[in-house]
Amino acid sequence: ETGVTQTPRHLVMGMTNKKSLKCEQHLGHNAMYWYKQSAKKPLELMFVYNFKEQTENNSVPSRFSPECPNSSHLFLHLHTLQPEDSALYLCASSQEPSTDTQYFGPGTRLTVL
Amino acid sequence: GQSLEQPSEVTAVEGAIVQINCTYQTSGFYGLSWYQQHDGGAPTFLSYNALDGLEETGRFSSFLSRSDSYGYLLLQELQMKDSASYFCAVSSRGNSGYSTLTFGKGTMLLVSP
Repeated sequence: ETGVTQTPRHLVMGMTNKKSLKCEQHLGHNAMYWYKQSAKKPLELMFVYNFKEQTENNSVPSRFSPECPNSSHLFLHLHTLQPEDSALYLCASSQEPSTDTQYFGPGTRLTVL
Repeated sequence: GQSLEQPSEVTAVEGAIVQINCTYQTSGFYGLSWYQQHDGGAPTFLSYNALDGLEETGRFSSFLSRSDSYGYLLLQELQMKDSASYFCAVSSRGNSGYSTLTFGKGTMLLVSP
């Protein structure tokens, strides 16, 4: 059973839509992450937050906008996405950014039409 | 940048032993982690090696040679439930000064009766 939850689990959106992905961790961790997992490709780190402050932005296009209101919640706001953005988006948390054990949520399967 | 190489697929039978290799190139190396991901599930942490040598956790063991930039995951007494994808990941110094994880493409392990 995971201490990291994500909603929605599945999302289909058009290229002109605006949607948000939500992640919540119940582990008391201080660092949270967004990853993108596409078929046949490794997990790609997108953003890292430490104590609500963004510490890493891995050259992610501006159509992906993260928000971290507190250490337990993380959002990924999506707008004017492209079909190639279709992927599994995974949220993870860890005690702190320098801790190597990360706990992943189940992911949101995103399809962009 | 960082790069990792691991086999795309490995097959084995129940009760057998299988070794999944991982070679990496990175700067600012801290350690090597292994994660398991079942189809449709979240990646789950298996092991972490910061120092050379073998770490054993039940049926799973992980090895690291820093001088060779090489590690492996050893799975013993294979069970059907071990069929999953296995990812190696290097911890290295990110732009923020904190460590970040870079994942390999994953090895799909198929265990047959």
